[in-house]
Amino acid sequence: AQSVSQHNHHVILSEAASLELGCNYSYGGTVNLFWYVQYPGQHLQLLLKYFSGDPLVKGIKGFEAEFIKSKFSFNLRKPSVQWSDTAEYFCAVMRGGSQGNLIFGKGTKLSVKP
Amino acid sequence: KAGVTQTPRYLIKTRGQQVTLSCSPISGHRSVSWYQQTPGQGLQFLFEYFSETQRNKGNFPGRFSGRQFSNSRSEMNVSTLELGDSALYLCASSFSGGIVETQYFGPGTRLLVL
Repeated sequence: AQSVSQHNHHVILSEAASLELGCNYSYGGTVNLFWYVQYPGQHLQLLLKYFSGDPLVKGIKGFEAEFIKSKFSFNLRKPSVQWSDTAEYFCAVMRGGSQGNLIFGKGTKLSVKP
Repeated sequence: KAGVTQTPRYLIKTRGQQVTLSCSPISGHRSVSWYQQTPGQGLQFLFEYFSETQRNKGNFPGRFSGRQFSNSRSEMNVSTLELGDSALYLCASSFSGGIVETQYFGPGTRLLVL
């Protein structure tokens, strides 16, 4: 069965530190990749997505992610985090032929210390 | 443009009862997907509806069912509730649910089963 792995359950950083959250998936075919964020008390919001083309994808709020097909990875990065980035981050994969079915990772909780 | 709305936002039921949750997608969106979010299992796909037809289904027992109306609004029903059904139920919509589309999530309905 297809799966999505997020390596870190909880990451704690100080403001201005750089961020990289890992995401690996297990499906070998065509996939579309997403990062969603869930701020405390708010609903899931899309950060960025990859469908095709340039494997380096830029999203909102200064986030970016790189798709490395050979490693089945889609890691999320931000050069300098802010306290307001404190949230839970979910990597998700939609594979071909599975309309509507996003497979999510377990999520990574990010806490940014002011 | 209004986002995805879900009603009710909170619900308390007892074991053995049934419950119906409602989701109104973004105007013009015809695909509605449902997800269950729990601390233990994370986010799991329930099913997806498009043009009143169930198009994709996750690995949930038959107690979980859904339907979609001609105006694209969708309902999810859980019969014979169990304690383990306590969760946040999320609804997401997209134009057609295609692989190149983004899903937009609602705030969720938090169900507590006592």
